[in-house]
Amino acid sequence: DVKVTQSSRYLVKRTGEKVFLECVQDMDHENMFWYRQDPGLGLRLIYFSYDVKMKEKGDIPEGYSVSREKKERFSLILESASTNQTSMYLCASSLRVDTEAFFGQGTRLTVV
Amino acid sequence: AQTVTQSQPEMSVQEAETVTLSCTYDTSESDYYLFWYKQPPSRQMILVIRQEAYKQQNATENRFSVNFQKAAKSFSLKISDSQLGDAAMYFCAYRSVQGAQKLVFGQGTRLTINP
Repeated sequence: DVKVTQSSRYLVKRTGEKVFLECVQDMDHENMFWYRQDPGLGLRLIYFSYDVKMKEKGDIPEGYSVSREKKERFSLILESASTNQTSMYLCASSLRVDTEAFFGQGTRLTVV
Repeated sequence: AQTVTQSQPEMSVQEAETVTLSCTYDTSESDYYLFWYKQPPSRQMILVIRQEAYKQQNATENRFSVNFQKAAKSFSLKISDSQLGDAAMYFCAYRSVQGAQKLVFGQGTRLTINP
């Protein structure tokens, strides 16, 4: 079974802190994604990567950056956390464009 | 940019009945993929069904089927013989096959099953 693992299920950080959310997949998938999920807004794409060291901005990249140094790991970075970044963050991976995306369990981030 | 719209924030259905969840999308592309995902209270997203845009035949997976209307850019999900375990958030998603190949989701529909 494909497994996508997010490093934390719950996280509380202070305003201004640098925050790293880690995501690891074990099935050699090319594509990886970061979303944030907010009530009434669904899943909004922050960044995605289609290969090592390659990244594309999604619909809401402001305030975030990403890193993909190895194929299996895709990190989301909040350079200076703000309260409006309090949200559920979901990581996903897929092998190709026509295959399903597999999701991690999500990280509920609270910025205080 | 492609957008996906789910106009029903909440739906409810009696157990064993049939329910249809709506989804519309906006795109200028001719080839793409459409998906329905389910997110139960455990938060784990699970693929329900997938449709290739170049196929006219509607996809079916057991009790789940879609009504894909390409010209109308509509992709609804029908759940037959609803079960208590079907209670979840349902998300419609669009994936481009050209360019950036983004995977874009709608706002979601919360489905409640009444016993």
